[in-house]
Amino acid sequence: EVQLVESGGGLVQPGGSLRLSCAASGFTFSSYEMNWVRQAPGKGLEWVSYISSSGSTIYYADSVKGRFTISRDNAKNSLYLQMNSLRAEDTAVYYCAKDHHSSGLFDYWGQGTLVTVSS
Amino acid sequence: SSELTQDPAVSVALGQTVRITCQGDSLRSYYASWYQQKPGQAPVLVIYGKNNRPSGIPDRFSGSSSGNTASLTITGAQAEDEADYYCNSRDSSGNHYVVFGGGTKLTVL
Repeated sequence: EVQLVESGGGLVQPGGSLRLSCAASGFTFSSYEMNWVRQAPGKGLEWVSYISSSGSTIYYADSVKGRFTISRDNAKNSLYLQMNSLRAEDTAVYYCAKDHHSSGLFDYWGQGTLVTVSS
Repeated sequence: SSELTQDPAVSVALGQTVRITCQGDSLRSYYASWYQQKPGQAPVLVIYGKNNRPSGIPDRFSGSSSGNTASLTITGAQAEDEADYYCNSRDSSGNHYVVFGGGTKLTVL
């Protein structure tokens, strides 16, 4: 059974940093691309970042480019999102999502972790 | 444009058929995927590709596409189908990896 479990969310002040993690199991993690998708309270889904299976190809949404860094450790079956210079508008539930071979089709999602940016 | 447009809200009578649409230039090049999200839960993939359902998704869910419009059809809507539905696709403009529609809230009356 595929499982994606996010952690690392919490309350952080504007300008602060946070590192999210996503632990994957139930599939060959090193063979699949991964993504972070976020959802602000009461709002729709927003794609945040993509990383290829090897980590060699990375994309970011314009809204986080230069502030967020996606990475992965295939030996630990883990995906990460380092978030710096956080803003109030980054407040959201952050989901990790397994990609179906770079099709943009997200076939499995984690339960999400809430990030709140507030003073 | 790299946007996908969805109607904000749609309603359907119990047992009737409803179609939820998604429009955007990217859909001329890529298939849409459809996700169901219930309150407090993560999204779940319900339709992908030309018209494919993941294991466990009821066959009352189907998908279609024409030109720049993709559609999700629920034939014989059930109370448990009340949820938010989102479409997404690869972004043909090259500006982003994927784009999501704004979501459609489906109410089953």
